[in-house]
Amino acid sequence: DIQMTQSPSTLSASVGDRVSITCRASQSISTWLAWYQQKPGKAPKLLIYKASNLESGVPSRFSGSGSGTEFTLTISSLQADDFATYYCQQYFSYRTFGQGTKVEIK
Amino acid sequence: EVQLVESGGGLVKPGGSLRVSCAASGITFTNAWMSWVRQAPGKGLEWVGRIKSKTEGGTTDYAAPVKGRFTISRDDSKNTLYLQMNSLRTEDTAVYYCQVEFDYWGQGTLVTVSS
Repeated sequence: DIQMTQSPSTLSASVGDRVSITCRASQSISTWLAWYQQKPGKAPKLLIYKASNLESGVPSRFSGSGSGTEFTLTISSLQADDFATYYCQQYFSYRTFGQGTKVEIK
Repeated sequence: EVQLVESGGGLVKPGGSLRVSCAASGITFTNAWMSWVRQAPGKGLEWVGRIKSKTEGGTTDYAAPVKGRFTISRDDSKNTLYLQMNSLRTEDTAVYYCQVEFDYWGQGTLVTVSS
């Protein structure tokens, strides 16, 4: 099974900061990776698919990069609405989620 | 507008069974690959399993913790996805979400396994 490891587990930041979250796969998954945002009590929301493709309607401050085993989600200028938990998911072989990164207010 | 509405969650004793459903609208359900994802209280997301569209074989795959106990099926005539859960354990307690891979999610249904 493919394991996905996100870092950091928690990230403290301020509005306007540039933040990055890393996701590492236990084996190469090419670019078969998605990123989701989840707020408390809500279903996850797709942000990025195929590693770097922005889902329709998602603000352009979100971007994704990477291939193989290392991937990054970047928020160029953190907004108040972005404080949430973020998950990566591989879909190269079955599906596996990372453990999540909580972005909290500094 | 795409809507996924889960139902059927509730309280069940360890060793018991439960079937949850997901009614879809606003999508061409026949062509959709559908997944179940769960989230235990205060924990992260865990993929449960997936069913392909019938045109691509309709086959299923499952995560190791549920393989042999859970079964995913679909009724394309009713635009409905099912998750049959048998031999339930306390660690299966979670909110269960259905997902149209990968864009759309339901609101989730809570399954609690407790004596």
